[in-house]
Amino acid sequence: QTVVTQEPSFSVSPGGTVTLTCGLSSGSVSTSNYPSWYQQTPGQAPRTLIYSTNTRSSGVPDRFSGSIVGNKAALTITGAQAEDESDYYCVLYMGSDIYVFGTGTMVTVL
Amino acid sequence: QVQLVQSGAEVKKPGASVKVSCKASGYAFSNYYVHWVRQAPGQGLEWMGIISPAGGRATYAQNFQGRATMTRDTSTRTLYMELSSLRSEDTAVYYCARESPHHSLAHWGQGTQVTVSS
Repeated sequence: QTVVTQEPSFSVSPGGTVTLTCGLSSGSVSTSNYPSWYQQTPGQAPRTLIYSTNTRSSGVPDRFSGSIVGNKAALTITGAQAEDESDYYCVLYMGSDIYVFGTGTMVTVL
Repeated sequence: QVQLVQSGAEVKKPGASVKVSCKASGYAFSNYYVHWVRQAPGQGLEWMGIISPAGGRATYAQNFQGRATMTRDTSTRTLYMELSSLRSEDTAVYYCARESPHHSLAHWGQGTQVTVSS
C-alpha cells in the first residue's frame, strides 16, 4: 500500500521561511501525481492552497508556493504569519482515480 | 457559488451502517467528480474514494473496498456515502469534496460527525 510521508511538525519564526515536503514510500513524486496542498485549522474543513504542483487556489496569498524538490513535492511558506499556524496535508494522484493523502505536518509559528 | 451541504451528525452502534449525504449546488453537477474523505479524532485526513456523478461509477481506497458504497441522485443533486459494519475506529468526521479539473479537492462540505458507540 502506498504511503505518502510528510514531516510531523515544523516550527517557524514570524517572517521566516519553511518548506514542507511530501514523498512517496516507493518512487519519486512528479508533476504526473498532480500534487496538491491543503491547510486545516482545528474544527474546520480543509482549505485548498495549491493544486497541480504549483498553482495557487483563488484567494491564497502569494507567500504560499508549490514545487517539486528532488523526488518530493514541496510547499514553501515565505514570510510566515501567525495565521499560518495550521496543519498542512498534501494529496497525490496515483492514477486510475486513486488518491492518497500525506500524513500531515503541523506548523507552529513562534 | 459552489456549495456542498452535508447531513447532520449520526450516532450508530457497532455493526450498523451509516449513510451520509452531500447536496451540491452552484455548478454543473454531472461535470465534476466528488471525493469522500474522513478524519478520525486527532488523526490526519484519509481518502476514502471518488464518484462520477455523470455515470455513478465509484472507485474506492483499498481500506474501504467492500464496506463503503458511494452513490448519487442526479434529480436532487445529492451524493451519498454509506459505510457498513461500523466499528469504533470509524468514529470520524466525514467530508465530501468536489474535484477540480486538476486532480485536486477544490470545494469541501462542512463535514459530518459519525460516532460509533455501544
